[in-house]
Amino acid sequence: QQQVKQSPQSLIVQKGGISIINCAYENTAFDYFPWYQQFPGKGPALLIAIRPDVSEKKEGRFTISFNKSAKQFSLHIMDSQPGDSATYFCAASKGSGGYQKVTFGTGTKLQVIP
Amino acid sequence: EPEVTQTPSHQVTQMGQEVILRCVPISNHLYFYWYRQILGQKVEFLVSFYNNEISEKSEIFDDQFSVERPDGSNFTLKIRSTKLEDSAMYFCASIATSLDEQFFGPGTRLTVL
Repeated sequence: QQQVKQSPQSLIVQKGGISIINCAYENTAFDYFPWYQQFPGKGPALLIAIRPDVSEKKEGRFTISFNKSAKQFSLHIMDSQPGDSATYFCAASKGSGGYQKVTFGTGTKLQVIP
Repeated sequence: EPEVTQTPSHQVTQMGQEVILRCVPISNHLYFYWYRQILGQKVEFLVSFYNNEISEKSEIFDDQFSVERPDGSNFTLKIRSTKLEDSAMYFCASIATSLDEQFFGPGTRLTVL
């Protein structure tokens, strides 16, 4: 019940295309859903996050779509660029009281080819 | 921009030896975390720490692990007797308040031989 399932495991997209990564969760107590971007040899860095009171959040080329009833959320990267090539993790947490451990998905390795 | 730092970047040790991984969280942060990432796998929560005590720990964080905030700046993870399966990247993270995002350090790669 604590798991966050993520797909696909890897993704190759042409420059300028749309990258889509999907995630699903079971625990309805999760109330904060961040996406992290990780480059090789680096720690995860917060990319964008959403709370379940909204269905969509957009920041630049990155958009999270959230479906509370289906317990699913996805990341869309518009106009994908070679610099977006990284591993992306969806995640979830119960964000209160200082007990904000983050439960990560299994990761998606994105490669954007010129 | 403030950042979480970790030392060393790479630690090689023999099985059965003790290791201490060090982290310096962002200075005004109050909540601290350790995560690990076995090569090619997802990032897994180990432990959270607040007000000088453990808030929560995972099943991975057994009696071989301990955390400490020995002074006002460092946050350490000690593994008493390392096993081969402890080989992983260990990430420290911190947040200012419980409603903020966690900031991750660059990680320490631990290799147990």
